[in-house]
Amino acid sequence: AQSVTQLGSHVSVSEGALVLLRCNYSSSVPPYLFWYVQYPNQGLQLLLKYTSAATLVKGINGFEAEFKKSETSFHLTKPSAHMSDAAEYFCAVTQARQLTFGSGTQLTVLP
Amino acid sequence: DVKVTQSSRYLVKRTGEKVFLECVQDMDHENMFWYRQDPGLGLRLIYFSYDVKMKEKGDIPEGYSVSREKKERFSLILESASTNQTSMYLCASRSGLLVSYNEQFFGPGTRLTVL
Repeated sequence: AQSVTQLGSHVSVSEGALVLLRCNYSSSVPPYLFWYVQYPNQGLQLLLKYTSAATLVKGINGFEAEFKKSETSFHLTKPSAHMSDAAEYFCAVTQARQLTFGSGTQLTVLP
Repeated sequence: DVKVTQSSRYLVKRTGEKVFLECVQDMDHENMFWYRQDPGLGLRLIYFSYDVKMKEKGDIPEGYSVSREKKERFSLILESASTNQTSMYLCASRSGLLVSYNEQFFGPGTRLTVL
């Protein structure tokens, strides 16, 4: 069975600082991995996805994530946080027809 | 642009009522999904459908049923609402029958309160 663990339910960073949101997965076969973002009172929106083409994946709004098979990780980063990045972020893994989501990380950006 | 719409943003129902949550997508996607979202638990899959009249149970189907009579519409039914079904419900759709790496597109959600 596949699963996702997001370390840190709440992360706070200062505006302009590095954003690092952690995601570890468990999968018996090479997975497809996703990061979604949810802004207040909205549905989820895809940030980026890993489908085995390249280990470093670039997404929207300056985010990127690196797939590390040896560490079973897919951490999300952004070099410089902006106030508009404040949202909840979900990591997800799929092997079959459905997605399994992590519990989410709420990102707060401090002025 | 893909659009997934849900019939209500906020809904308040009483215990024991039958509740219908409707979801419509406009991109001819084969797959549609219903999730519930609770703080600290992320999104959990209730049911999904990969074709008209076809459905499969997700991780937490108890107390729910679904209906997909037309390709663009996927309904979630709470036969007898209970207070523990108070939650945010999200609908999503995705193209491709066997292409699980395709993006899921989400609706804005329905916040259901059962009193």
